[in-house]
Amino acid sequence: GAVVSQHPSWVICKSGTSVKIECRSLDFQATTMFWYRQFPKQSLMLMATSNEGSKATYEQGVEKDKFLINHASLTLSTLTVTSAHPEDSSFYICSAIPGTSGSGTQYFGPGTRLLVL
Amino acid sequence: GENVEQHPSTLSVQEGDSAVIKCTYSDSASNYFPWYKQELGKGPQLIIDIRSNVGEKKDQRIAVTLNKTAKHFSLHITETQPEDSAVYFCAASASGTYKYIFGTGTRLKVLA
Repeated sequence: GAVVSQHPSWVICKSGTSVKIECRSLDFQATTMFWYRQFPKQSLMLMATSNEGSKATYEQGVEKDKFLINHASLTLSTLTVTSAHPEDSSFYICSAIPGTSGSGTQYFGPGTRLLVL
Repeated sequence: GENVEQHPSTLSVQEGDSAVIKCTYSDSASNYFPWYKQELGKGPQLIIDIRSNVGEKKDQRIAVTLNKTAKHFSLHITETQPEDSAVYFCAASASGTYKYIFGTGTRLKVLA
């Protein structure tokens, strides 16, 4: 149980284009999902908290107009990197918390590797 | 602000030996402490967790201990195997919140 998927697993795009990454909780509902970014050999950096039916909460220093988050259902959150540039290349990971309490164990997706040329 | 320190950053052990990774947290309101294993190119996988009302928890070869007074918690892996080689992250979360404060990670290498 508690499986989270991400799609795509990797993506290559040209500078200036937008890329959408999907995060799905497969066997549970999640009011709250999270988006992280991870650079090589570093820890996970929280970008934003995605709440179903409401606006995402972004961490300090994360551009909300660049990283658009939509949590339209209890099983799906999407991250859109708009006008991507090479510095946006990274490993993006989502996580989800089962249930509607908004607190508890986070289950992570397998990650999406983005390369912007 | 809140932070979690994790040591060591790298750890090499011989197969069959034990490995210990230690974390220290700063927020006294933290009450949930998960440990994750991350293999290369994959997402973190929960391996064990502990809540503040418990001092120790064990699951086969893996155990976690918590010292609330000292704000320390540790991961213990016994009888290590090559497949235990990965990066391990500790995290701390406070009641009423859902954010994790992650440690910086420990790269464990089990030598066959």
